[in-house]
Amino acid sequence: GESVGLHLPTLSVQEGDNSIINCAYSNSASDYFIWYKQESGKGPQFIIDIRSNMDKRQGQRVTVLLNKTVKHLSLQIAATQPGDSAVYFCAENAYYKLSFGAGTTVTVRA
Amino acid sequence: GAVVSQHPSWVICKSGTSVKIECRSLDFQATTMFWYRQFPKQSLMLMATSNEGSKATYEQGVEKDKFLINHASLTLSTLTVTSAHPEDSSFYICSARVRDREPLHFGNGTRLTVT
Repeated sequence: GESVGLHLPTLSVQEGDNSIINCAYSNSASDYFIWYKQESGKGPQFIIDIRSNMDKRQGQRVTVLLNKTVKHLSLQIAATQPGDSAVYFCAENAYYKLSFGAGTTVTVRA
Repeated sequence: GAVVSQHPSWVICKSGTSVKIECRSLDFQATTMFWYRQFPKQSLMLMATSNEGSKATYEQGVEKDKFLINHASLTLSTLTVTSAHPEDSSFYICSARVRDREPLHFGNGTRLTVT
């Protein structure tokens, strides 16, 4: 079946640098996308979302880009901080359900 | 706002017993709640979708008689793992939302260990 996937399982970034986390999705029926952050032993925490009628959305230090032509989603984190170390999941909403990608583990180097 | 409380945060039980996990939306009414399961270093896998006042919809491969879901009110859903076995040991996470195409808000999960 179709599912959301992530290109890279791990990402190591220097503190203060920008991070880019990528995600590929394959369900053309998906119309809403969300990025979540999950710290060890906790539930996912909402970061930012985007609807399919948009291609870019910005939040505080984060930007989500959506390219529907190639079914690609990315999360950019500006000035990455140690507290950003976590696993990041993209999720796609289709048929009233939210499906998660494999996750990218981000490690911030001091 | 949008707080989801899940209880217990961890539980250890003996094989063959049943365990109930509660999920509450504290400051909003959730028309739909979702139950996910997560194995170590893996993604979240949707188990079932629960709508208030109706039967849950289970994903393919999830045994409805083993994982009983009740969504009795707009703020409470429960997952009961019946006759638990060691292979049921996992991290179970609930989530809730007000309506479709809005963010899911997650509880902090329940670590189930079956001995």
